[in-house]
Amino acid sequence: EPEVTQTPSHQVTQMGQEVILRCVPISNHLYFYWYRQILGQKVEFLVSFYNNEISEKSEIFDDQFSVERPDGSNFTLKIRSTKLEDSAMYFCASSRYPGSVWPQHFGDGTRLSIL
Amino acid sequence: TQLLEQSPQFLSIQEGENLTVYCNSSSVFSSLQWYRQEPGEGPVLLVTVVTGGEVKKLKRLTFQFGDARKDSSLHITAAQPGDTGLYLCAGGSGSGGSNYKLTFGKGTLLTVNP
Repeated sequence: EPEVTQTPSHQVTQMGQEVILRCVPISNHLYFYWYRQILGQKVEFLVSFYNNEISEKSEIFDDQFSVERPDGSNFTLKIRSTKLEDSAMYFCASSRYPGSVWPQHFGDGTRLSIL
Repeated sequence: TQLLEQSPQFLSIQEGENLTVYCNSSSVFSSLQWYRQEPGEGPVLLVTVVTGGEVKKLKRLTFQFGDARKDSSLHITAAQPGDTGLYLCAGGSGSGGSNYKLTFGKGTLLTVNP
């Protein structure tokens, strides 16, 4: 069964450094999402992306965050200048279309540790 | 801000027992998804309920969406150790389609002891 893949599985970065998290969504999916989960807390929506544009973003997704689909397969999340509080699991998800009929399939996440 | 409260947060039961997990909100959602998450992995979708009052069954798991689409429950019959895991509910919202997103609860960590 097709799946969403994320790399790396674990990223350790010094505070203030830029980090790029990578995702390969399911090939025929058109909508892409990033969520994060701080240790011990709930999964939180960050951003959704369609047709090379951000569709929706949360309050968490400030100017330090950006997303890009640089080619036909990858979907990336960049954090420009990382802070300690950015430490979390970051999940990429994709769906064929938006809405309740079309389930979001999640990758296994990237654990980001900011030192 | 839409919130989903799950209860109980932790549940430890013996194999063969029945259990119910609840997911409640003051907000209306267009859909309610139940996911299961294993350590070190992403959430895996179990079911989506869309219509108020809808009931779906997946083997020993029964999912119900409240009539007002604000709450949901997951009932497991004759729990087995393989049911152990973190169960997450997530409400779908977004009026325009392209702004659809999921709001997650904190989850219920279920342990089924042999």
